[in-house]
Amino acid sequence: AQSVTQLGSHVSVSEGALVLLRCNYSSSVPPYLFWYVQYPNQGLQLLLKYTSAATLVKGINGFEAEFKKSETSFHLTKPSAHMSDAAEYFCAVSYFGNEKLTFGTGTRLTIIP
Amino acid sequence: EAEVAQSPRYKITEKSQAVAFWCDPISGHATLYWYRQILGQGPELLVQFQDESVVDDSQLPKDRFSAERLKGVDSTLKIQPAELGDSAMYLCASSPDRRQETQYFGPGTRLLVL
Repeated sequence: AQSVTQLGSHVSVSEGALVLLRCNYSSSVPPYLFWYVQYPNQGLQLLLKYTSAATLVKGINGFEAEFKKSETSFHLTKPSAHMSDAAEYFCAVSYFGNEKLTFGTGTRLTIIP
Repeated sequence: EAEVAQSPRYKITEKSQAVAFWCDPISGHATLYWYRQILGQGPELLVQFQDESVVDDSQLPKDRFSAERLKGVDSTLKIQPAELGDSAMYLCASSPDRRQETQYFGPGTRLLVL
């Protein structure tokens, strides 16, 4: 079985500060890992994905994530937070041959002016 | 840019009533997913279609939920009768085929059962 754990249901950072959202996964096979963003009352938008190529993945809106197998982590970062980054962020896992996504419980990011 | 369409965006109903949600995936996408997202939680898969066939409906409460994709294009998710605990966001997603790892999500239908 596969699962993801997102540490911190709420994260607040000041505008211009580093954004770090944590995700740890559990999978018995090499995983595919994803970060999605959800704005209020909207669907999910893919930020970035890891599918066994480069371990440092760059996504949209200046976000990136690094796959660390030794730590079973896939943390999301952005060097400088912008007010428009305020949203809910979901980490998700699947794997080759079973593309069903298993989501974490989400992290709500608040940006402080 | 092609998008997944869903309607209605919002639905308020009373318990014991029937409700239906519609999804039109991105053109040419063979795989379609319905998810339920309870407030404060991540989405959970209800049903997965490959063309018109159900691939996975293990988490679909079949006593009250049904889903169909008759021509392998658009899809309908129905709840009958609705219960208070069904209040949630219902999300539809599609991908070119089940071997494609990226799913594209629609805007969702927010259901409130009174």
